[in-house]
Amino acid sequence: DAKTTQPNSMESNEEEPVHLPCNHSTISGTDYIHWYRQLPSQGPEYVIHGLTSNVNNRMASLAIAEDRKSSTLILHRATLRDAAVYYCILRESNTGNQFYFGTGTSLTVIP
Amino acid sequence: EAGVAQSPRYKIIEKRQSVAFWCNPISGHATLYWYQQILGQGPKLLIQFQNNGVVDDSQLPKDRFSAERLKGVDSTLKIQPAKLEDSAVYLCASTLVPSIRVTEAFFGQGTRLTVV
Repeated sequence: DAKTTQPNSMESNEEEPVHLPCNHSTISGTDYIHWYRQLPSQGPEYVIHGLTSNVNNRMASLAIAEDRKSSTLILHRATLRDAAVYYCILRESNTGNQFYFGTGTSLTVIP
Repeated sequence: EAGVAQSPRYKIIEKRQSVAFWCNPISGHATLYWYQQILGQGPKLLIQFQNNGVVDDSQLPKDRFSAERLKGVDSTLKIQPAKLEDSAVYLCASTLVPSIRVTEAFFGQGTRLTVV
């Protein structure tokens, strides 16, 4: 079962930062927080993941709350190619490493 | 590096017919997943393999769905007989090793099944 809560949809203007929130209040100490995105007619693709500390990579940043009950995916400058459904996933250490997806957040980027 | 290959890309069948999907994971990836994605929903895990063994098939409708990964490489997912509600995209994914510290799962483009 998916154990994350995300808004159904969000909008952003092109070239502006986007903050995509995720709540995971039942997270356990060893669960990793992963973000994937799915472009239209494509399979999901990895974006970023973290455990406790904030993380940065070439695609995005991940800000994790101190209590780990929520996190935020940050796209620093949204482009039209970032329009996708973004999934926040808990990769649980005690359930065989499955990926359980929720319904995600559909991001619309406005030119 | 070649990605996860799936075939066919599209399939249209009548209800009660049978259908099979094929997946070739990235070379050397031990873990393979099959997902079902109904329009407007997130992917739902159907089955997970570790090499040629099943790790989790708790959400696989075993009365009509079956999957195998005989040599620990390619995998097939079969539906027999198909129902209208099986219309969905079937996604295959693979990871290198079964560790939560592994960064990413790689997904194929999926097979879009339409049951009429």
